[in-house]
Amino acid sequence: EPEVTQTPSHQVTQMGQEVILRCVPISNHLYFYWYRQILGQKVEFLVSFYNNEISEKSEIFDDQFSVERPDGSNFTLKIRSTKLEDSAMYFCASSKASFDGYTFGSGTRLTVV
Amino acid sequence: GQQLNQSPQSMFIQEGEDVSMNCTSSSIFNTWLWYKQDPGEGPVLLIALYKAGELTSNGRLTAQFGITRKDSFLNISASIPSDVGIYFCAGSRTSYGKLTFGQGTILTVHP
Repeated sequence: EPEVTQTPSHQVTQMGQEVILRCVPISNHLYFYWYRQILGQKVEFLVSFYNNEISEKSEIFDDQFSVERPDGSNFTLKIRSTKLEDSAMYFCASSKASFDGYTFGSGTRLTVV
Repeated sequence: GQQLNQSPQSMFIQEGEDVSMNCTSSSIFNTWLWYKQDPGEGPVLLIALYKAGELTSNGRLTAQFGITRKDSFLNISASIPSDVGIYFCAGSRTSYGKLTFGQGTILTVHP
């Protein structure tokens, strides 16, 4: 079964450093998303991406965050200057059509120290 | 912002029992989804509901999209140990599919 692949599975970074989280969505999917889950809390929407541009973003997705689809397969989330409160699981998701039921990746656990 | 209230927060049941959990919202959603999350993994879609009043089953799971479009429930019949995990409801209003998640229900099944 096709799956969304995220790398790395765990990243530890120092506060103030830049991190790039990588995702390979399912190949025929058109919509891409990033979500965040702070330990023990619910999953929160960050940003959606379609047709090479951001279609919607939450208030969490401030100027420190950016997304990119640098080639035909990868979808990245960059945090420019990490803060302690950025520590969370970050999930990438993709879907074929807008209500087709997303497929989530297994996540990247980001720890900012 | 949009909020989903999911209850109960946690459930401890015996194997074989039925389980019911629900989500309510103060605003309308056009799609309701139910996900299960195992530790260290991403959410896995269980059931998707697209029409108000819709009742959908997936094996031992049954979910309904409330007629007011402001609520949904998930039932699990004859629970088994592998049902253990966190169950999340999620709603969507826009055509681009941004999901708003509930707080989750932690399910523990005792053999």
